Amino acid sequence: VQLVESGGGLVQPGGSLRLSCAASGFTFNSYWMSWIRQAPGKGLEWVANIKEDGSEKYYLDSVKGRFTISRDNARKSLYLQMNSLRAEDTAVYYCARSGFSGTSVWGQGTMLSVSS
Amino acid sequence: EIVLTQSPGTLSLSPGERATLSCRASQTVSTHYLAWYQQKPGQAPRLLIFGASIRATGLPDRFSGSGSGTDFTLTISRLEPEDFAVYYCQQYGSLPITFGQGTRLEIK
Repeated sequence: VQLVESGGGLVQPGGSLRLSCAASGFTFNSYWMSWIRQAPGKGLEWVANIKEDGSEKYYLDSVKGRFTISRDNARKSLYLQMNSLRAEDTAVYYCARSGFSGTSVWGQGTMLSVSS
Repeated sequence: EIVLTQSPGTLSLSPGERATLSCRASQTVSTHYLAWYQQKPGQAPRLLIFGASIRATGLPDRFSGSGSGTDFTLTISRLEPEDFAVYYCQQYGSLPITFGQGTRLEIK
């Protein structure tokens, strides 16, 4: 069971970036999936999650209208499109498998830095 | 939004001692959708407990979770050296999903 994120990097304020997460070792289309972030030296913050079939999506208020979560079950992949990035979006972004049994599988994280 | 407040912020104990970590919610956490995570420096969090009291697969039985409603506790009965880390509680029964600010468990 593994989640591997990619796509992080340094972006200027107002810029865009798309994070990807490749899943393996489990039936991807049977699980809700989430993005959770952690600013440097800070705690954990849930960002967004998406239902097994992609029909429901939920967001943290501060990212609504700027971030879009999506998934491709055929490719066993999760995505986070991030637009209008702000300095306060700087964080390690974790892809995670979610469900009734909590957030049971986490990726290693990918770092996003928003700075001019 | 359900705010989770963890206490203490830092807990200093010695190996072999008992650790009691608290998580208090600003509203009732629905259907025991309360989880605990352990995070070590440079690592992703690891699920310890879900459903307030159910141990994740492979978790040693020195870890236990309890509580309901708005008050929850993570207990580590006899601390091992590898248990010193930061611990977070999370409620996942209401949106937005929220985490506590963490309790740092350090070696005394």
